[in-house]
Amino acid sequence: AQKVTQAQTEISVVEKEDVTLDCVYETRDTTYYLFWYKQPPSGELVFLIRRNSFDEQNEISGRYSWNFQKSTSSFNFTITASQVVDSAVYFCALRDTGANSKLTFGKGITLSVRP
Amino acid sequence: NAGVTQTPKFQVLKTGQSMTLQCAQDMNHNSMYWYRQDPGMGLRLIYYSASEGTTDKGEVPNGYNVSRLNKREFSLRLESAAPSQTSVYFCASSEAGPYLVSYEQYFGPGTRLTVT
Repeated sequence: AQKVTQAQTEISVVEKEDVTLDCVYETRDTTYYLFWYKQPPSGELVFLIRRNSFDEQNEISGRYSWNFQKSTSSFNFTITASQVVDSAVYFCALRDTGANSKLTFGKGITLSVRP
Repeated sequence: NAGVTQTPKFQVLKTGQSMTLQCAQDMNHNSMYWYRQDPGMGLRLIYYSASEGTTDKGEVPNGYNVSRLNKREFSLRLESAAPSQTSVYFCASSEAGPYLVSYEQYFGPGTRLTVT
């Protein structure tokens, strides 16, 4: 069975601080996909990134960066120079590629960025 | 291009009442999903439809039924609502890739359901 653990439940930072959101996953498959979604206070879920298990290159997109490490089964998300608009709940998710594979979500991390 | 749409946005039901949540996508996706989101629980899959004409149970299917009406539409029905079904319901869709490929899911805006 697959599992996603987001051990941090709530994080509060002051604007312009860097913040890292942790994600640890469990799966028996060698091929799988990892995702991050953002849920702002308005409630919609916004896709941020998809990464497959064969691609361990870190990715940077503006102030966002992702660190994927298979050795520790982690897919951490860093926001550099945080802004108030980054305040949201962030979900990490895992999907394997077996028959009837499903997306398994972590419980989410609530990030509050204070001005 | 509206993406994934859901109706209604809000609904209050009394215990025992029935209702259907509607979902439609205009991205020509094969796969569609229904999730519920409860505080501290993340999103949990209720039912999904890998392709038109097929549906399968997810993690928490009890008390729900679904219909994949056509490629665009996937509805979720509560036959006899219970207070435990108070939640926010999200519909999602995604492309269905080859066996070893998994695409991201796109979510609707959600339906906030309260059962009293």
